[in-house]
Amino acid sequence: AQKITQTQPGMFVQEKEAVTLDCTYDTSDPSYGLFWYKQPSSGEMIFLIYQGSYDQQNATEGRYSLNFQKARKSANLVISASQLGDSAMYFCAMRGYTGANSKLTFGKGITLSVRP
Amino acid sequence: DSGVTQTPKHLITATGQRVTLRCSPRSGDLSVYWYQQSLDQGLQFLIQYYNGEERAKGNILERFSAQQFPDLHSELNLSSLELGDSALYFCASSAPGLAGGRDEQFFGPGTRLTVL
Repeated sequence: AQKITQTQPGMFVQEKEAVTLDCTYDTSDPSYGLFWYKQPSSGEMIFLIYQGSYDQQNATEGRYSLNFQKARKSANLVISASQLGDSAMYFCAMRGYTGANSKLTFGKGITLSVRP
Repeated sequence: DSGVTQTPKHLITATGQRVTLRCSPRSGDLSVYWYQQSLDQGLQFLIQYYNGEERAKGNILERFSAQQFPDLHSELNLSSLELGDSALYFCASSAPGLAGGRDEQFFGPGTRLTVL
C-alpha cells in the first residue's frame, strides 16, 4: 500500500521569500512517481512538478523545485520567491507502476498563505 | 485551463436521487480517472478507465458506477444518493505512458455535488 504524509497544518510565508512544504511517503513499489498539485480557493487542481524515483537529479519547474531524498522517503516542495497568487492548498501525491498502486494516492494537503 | 472539461459545474439534488457527471479528457489522452474530494476523506481515487476499459478501482461505492465511451468521454453515475456523497468530484486524464513513467494527470475543474 502507498501512503503520503503531510503533517504541516498551515504555512505562512512573506512575499518574495522561499518556503518548503514537507512530504514523506511510503511504498513497496521499486519504481514510483511523486507529484505536487496546487488547489487554489477556486477549487481546480493544478499540476506543478513531477519526480521519478530513479531520476538522478531533483526536479525543477520554474519557481518550483522538489527536494527528493529517496533514502529518507521525502519529497519536499520548495517554492522560491513566493507570490500572493501562491496562496493555496498544496497536495503531494504518488503513484506506483504495478497493480493496485498505479493510482494516485494523495496526502491531506498543506495550506500556504503568502503575506504581502 | 487543463484541457479537461467537466459538466455540470454544480449539482444540487435530494437524497435517494441519481445523477450523472460527465468528463471529456484532453485531446489524445486515453486514461480517465475519477476522484472524490470531501472534507473528512480528502482526495480519494474512485476508478480509472483506459481506452474504454476499466483499469483500476479504488474506494468506489457499489452505488456508484462509471464508463468510458468510444469517443473517450466518461460518465460517473451516482445513485441512491446520501448526504455523505456531497463532495467535489474531479475527473483527470493522462497521456499514454511516457519515457520514465512520467504521466501526470491533468484535472478538470470538478463538479460540486450537494445532496440535501
